[in-house]
Amino acid sequence: EDQVTQSPEALRLQEGESSSLNCSYTVSGLRGLFWYRQDPGKGPEFLFTLYSAGEEKEKERLKATLTKKESFLHITAPKPEDSATYLCAVQSPSGNTPLVFGKGTRLSVIA
Amino acid sequence: GAGVSQSPSNKVTEKGKDVELRCDPISGHTALYWYRQSLGQGLEFLIYFQGNSAPDKSGLPSDRFSAERTGGSVSTLTIQRTQQEDSAVYLCASSLQGSDGYTFGSGTRLTVV
Repeated sequence: EDQVTQSPEALRLQEGESSSLNCSYTVSGLRGLFWYRQDPGKGPEFLFTLYSAGEEKEKERLKATLTKKESFLHITAPKPEDSATYLCAVQSPSGNTPLVFGKGTRLSVIA
Repeated sequence: GAGVSQSPSNKVTEKGKDVELRCDPISGHTALYWYRQSLGQGLEFLIYFQGNSAPDKSGLPSDRFSAERTGGSVSTLTIQRTQQEDSAVYLCASSLQGSDGYTFGSGTRLTVV
């Protein structure tokens, strides 16, 4: 059974204080690893897809990396508007199987 | 439409009543997914529709839950004889077949009292 574990559950940063969120996964083959951002009262918003170990993708202050066992979401010099819950999900290669999500990391960036 | 639309945004119902939740996916998206998000929990997969194929119902928690997708577009999730543990946010998402990432709606917050 595919499993995704995210840590920490919650993270509080000062504005400008860089950090990383972790997503550990167990899958029977990985088609893709997905990162989403979710604001309160809204649905998750797609950020990145990573397909193979060593791959990296960037968007503004966010950079996602992937190894064979985990993914990191690095946040460089965060701003208060980066405050949100960040969700990680995996998809196995068996056809169009639904994504399996972790419980998320709730990030608060304080000005 | 421009995004995935869900209605109602909030629903309060009495225990034992039936409820219907609606999802209007992005036009042209062949795949449609229902997930449930409870407080402190991750997104729990419920059911998945892909084109004209039989839906993947493997995530439905009990036979009180059912869903249909009419004309390959709008989907309705029905919960019969609601229980308090059904209280959650029900999220719908759609995607192009084989594409990356889902586009989610804003969800329906269901409260069973």
